[in-house]
Amino acid sequence: AQTVTQSQPEMSVQEAETVTLSCTYDTSESNYYLFWYKQPPSRQMILVIRQEAYKQQNATENRFSVNFQKAAKSFSLKISDSQLGDTAMYFCAFYRIGSQGNLIFGKGTKLSVKP
Amino acid sequence: NAGVTQTPKFRILKIGQSMTLQCTQDMNHNYMYWYRQDPGMGLKLIYYSVGAGITDKGEVPNGYNVSRSTTEDFPLRLELAAPSQTSVYFCASRRTGDSGNTIYFGEGSWLTVV
Repeated sequence: AQTVTQSQPEMSVQEAETVTLSCTYDTSESNYYLFWYKQPPSRQMILVIRQEAYKQQNATENRFSVNFQKAAKSFSLKISDSQLGDTAMYFCAFYRIGSQGNLIFGKGTKLSVKP
Repeated sequence: NAGVTQTPKFRILKIGQSMTLQCTQDMNHNYMYWYRQDPGMGLKLIYYSVGAGITDKGEVPNGYNVSRSTTEDFPLRLELAAPSQTSVYFCASRRTGDSGNTIYFGEGSWLTVV
């Protein structure tokens, strides 16, 4: 069974600085997707970034980028130029292709951006 | 631009009562899901559906039922509510092969059982 581990329950960063959130996963599969979702206080789940396992190039979305290390089964999220609106819970999620789309979530990292 | 819509957003139930959480999506997605999120935890899958007329259990199905009579709607039924079902419930959907198999979530339904 797949598992997703986020080892940092809480983190904080000063506005405009850079922060990296860690995620590791355990799987024997070779074809899968990895996601980072943001959950602000409103509790809505918002997709931040997506990475296909077969792609070696790290995904980027504006200020958000990932460091995908397939052999190490690591998928960290880097947020550059942090903004107050980035304050949220961040969840790492794993999806095995062919698994009916069931996402396996980590327990989340609470990020606070301080002015 | 509705996406995935859930109702109600908030509900308080008494122990033993029943209720239905409604979910509808307007993106013509074939897959639909119900997740629950307990405090301090990630989301866990309750039930899912791969298309109209087809449903299957997820990780935590006990105490719940679903149906999928149309592509758009996927209601979640809670029978004999228990305090352990106090949680935030998320409906979600995706289309096979669409946008890298990204799952889109509704805004959540906060349920308290007292």
